[in-house]
Amino acid sequence: EPEVTQTPSHQVTQMGQEVILRCVPISNHLYFYWYRQILGQKVEFLVSFYNNEISEKSEIFDDQFSVERPDGSNFTLKIRSTKLEDSAMYFCASSESRTTDTQYFGPGTRLTVL
Amino acid sequence: AQTVTQSQPEMSVQEAETVTLSCTYDTSESDYYLFWYKQPPSRQMILVIRQEAYKQQNATENRFSVNFQKAAKSFSLKISDSQLGDAAMYFCAYGSNNNDMRFGAGTRLTVKP
Repeated sequence: EPEVTQTPSHQVTQMGQEVILRCVPISNHLYFYWYRQILGQKVEFLVSFYNNEISEKSEIFDDQFSVERPDGSNFTLKIRSTKLEDSAMYFCASSESRTTDTQYFGPGTRLTVL
Repeated sequence: AQTVTQSQPEMSVQEAETVTLSCTYDTSESDYYLFWYKQPPSRQMILVIRQEAYKQQNATENRFSVNFQKAAKSFSLKISDSQLGDAAMYFCAYGSNNNDMRFGAGTRLTVKP
């Protein structure tokens, strides 16, 4: 069964450093998403991406965040200058279409900012 | 704004028994989708069940079923014949074509042997 994959599974970085989290969505899916889950809290929407552009973003997704689909398979989330409060689990998800809206999640990347 | 509320931070159930997890939501939209996701200790988000708001029939997936009350904006999850592997955090979520996915705060389910 096709699945969303994410790398790395765990990323440790120093405050102020840039990190890139990588995702490979399900191949025939057209919509891609990033979510964040701070330990012990709810899953929060960051951004959705369709047709090579951001379709929606939350207030959390400020100028230090960016997303990109650099090729036909990868979908990346970049955090330019990490803060301590960026420490969280980051989930990538994809869906076949906006209409169906069933999103399939990857296993997540645990980001630890020291 | 759409909000999702899970009023039970923790629930427990005896193995082989039935448990119901509650979820309510607030929306002014008429066309939307509701989901239950399971998050085991591995922290992966796994889709358990999904319900389209336009469908009156409650969704069922093996031991998992929902009680969808559209007028009351209620979407509870029933787990029958609970198994040890059902122990996890369960998140209720709301999605639509006009809005991003919104999650509830989650319910931690413990299954007692």
